[in-house]
Amino acid sequence: NAGVMQNPRHLVRRRGQEARLRCSPMKGHSHVYWYRQLPEEGLKFMVYLQKENIIDESGMPKERFSAEFPKEGPSILRIQQVVRGDSAAYFCASSTDPNTEAFFGQGTRLTVV
Amino acid sequence: GDSVTQMEGPVTLSEEAFLTINCTYTATGYPSLFWYVQYPGEGLQLLLKATKADDKGSNKGFEATYRKETTSFHLEKGSVQVSDSAVYFCALFSGNTPLVFGKGTRLSVIA
Repeated sequence: NAGVMQNPRHLVRRRGQEARLRCSPMKGHSHVYWYRQLPEEGLKFMVYLQKENIIDESGMPKERFSAEFPKEGPSILRIQQVVRGDSAAYFCASSTDPNTEAFFGQGTRLTVV
Repeated sequence: GDSVTQMEGPVTLSEEAFLTINCTYTATGYPSLFWYVQYPGEGLQLLLKATKADDKGSNKGFEATYRKETTSFHLEKGSVQVSDSAVYFCALFSGNTPLVFGKGTRLSVIA
C-alpha cells in the first residue's frame, strides 16, 4: 500500500507564474488535508477536502489559492500568480476519516524566484 | 481557538543524553495529542499519540504522557542517538478542526 504521494518534490516558479501541486492520498483514504510550512515555522493548516467537496478552507489565503479533490485523480493545490512569499514546503495528508491518524506525504518544496 | 505551544529550539545534546521537549496545549473538550517527527528533507511521520487523559504514548524509546491537569504532553527519551536528530512537532486534534501543530523543535544529537 503506497503512502501519500506528492509531486513534484521540488518546484521552481518565476513570480507571476502558476504552481500546481498534486497529492494522491493513500488507497482507501477519502479525506485530504493541505498544510504549508514556512522556513523555521510549524505547519499551518490550509484546507480540508473530501471527495469533490471542500470541508474547511479556513486556512486558505483569500486570493490566488485554490484546491480541489475530484472524484477521479489526485487532489490539486493551485497557486496563481505566485509571489516570493509563497516559497514554502507544502504538505498533503490523508486519512480514512477525520478522527483517525493522518498520514503525510513527503511534501513539495516550492521556490519562487 | 485550539493551540499548541512547544519549547523553542534548537536543542543540542550529546549521544546518550536524556531528552525532554515540552509541549502544552489549549483546546476545548478533550483532544487527542500527537508527536510527529520530520527528518531532513522528509515529510512528517507519526511518532506516538495519546487519546485520553493519563494515557502514555510510546514508540522507538520515546514516551509522552497526556496530563490533563497541566494540559501538557511532554516528549521524553532516556538516551538519544545521532539518528534521532530531526524536528519534532507536537499536535492536537479536537474533532472540530484538522490537526493543529506547534512550531516544532529542532533536535541535534552529536556523537
